[in-house]
Amino acid sequence: DTGVSQDPRHKITKRGQNVTFRCDPISEHNRLYWYRQTLGQGPEFLTYFQNEAQLEKSRLLSDRFSAERPKGSFSTLEIQRTEQGDSAMYLCASSPRLAEEETQYFGPGTRLLVL
Amino acid sequence: DQQVKQNSPSLSVQEGRISILNCDYTNSMFDYFLWYKKYPAEGPTFLISISSIKDKNEDGRFTVFLNKSAKHLSLHIVPSQPGDSAVYFCAASGPRGSTLGRLYFGRGTQLTVWP
Repeated sequence: DTGVSQDPRHKITKRGQNVTFRCDPISEHNRLYWYRQTLGQGPEFLTYFQNEAQLEKSRLLSDRFSAERPKGSFSTLEIQRTEQGDSAMYLCASSPRLAEEETQYFGPGTRLLVL
Repeated sequence: DQQVKQNSPSLSVQEGRISILNCDYTNSMFDYFLWYKKYPAEGPTFLISISSIKDKNEDGRFTVFLNKSAKHLSLHIVPSQPGDSAVYFCAASGPRGSTLGRLYFGRGTQLTVWP
């Protein structure tokens, strides 16, 4: 069990550029989540997949954000036309679909800085 | 709307003593609670959880207590060690079995354990 991995770990971009982040969940975890964390705050929910189906999206996920999980394994989060307010740590988590355990396991995060 | 609150942004404890971190929640539909530990530039690491059907869960030096009537939970660390110094996040989810899997996080408490 290699844990949740995220790539890249750091990204610096200029305002207006598009960025894409990747998340590889723990194998056989069918639930995958994206969160965003800014300084002094706890992680805030963005979106949630069960297998390849995107079941919930937060109002934080504006039209510039899109997430996919095409084969029910890895997921990508794309931000189009980045803004300085998008600067944050983007966290991915996964969990197994077990009624007894709903623990989410987090990856190391991707830190985005928009200049 | 902060549904999970950690009102103490920081806590300082001497090595060997007990650390008590507190968390309050407002949503009575929450039925699963978790504590995560986070080091700078890393993702949150799962520590311990508790279901609403229990009032205590223990794992080594870590014990979580849940008081449903007060909508309050606490994490006890005994004995505290310098390596425990990190930001601790309280999180909640529910109701069990729903398709809504998001976690709601508090803003975190910075624990410092000094020798």
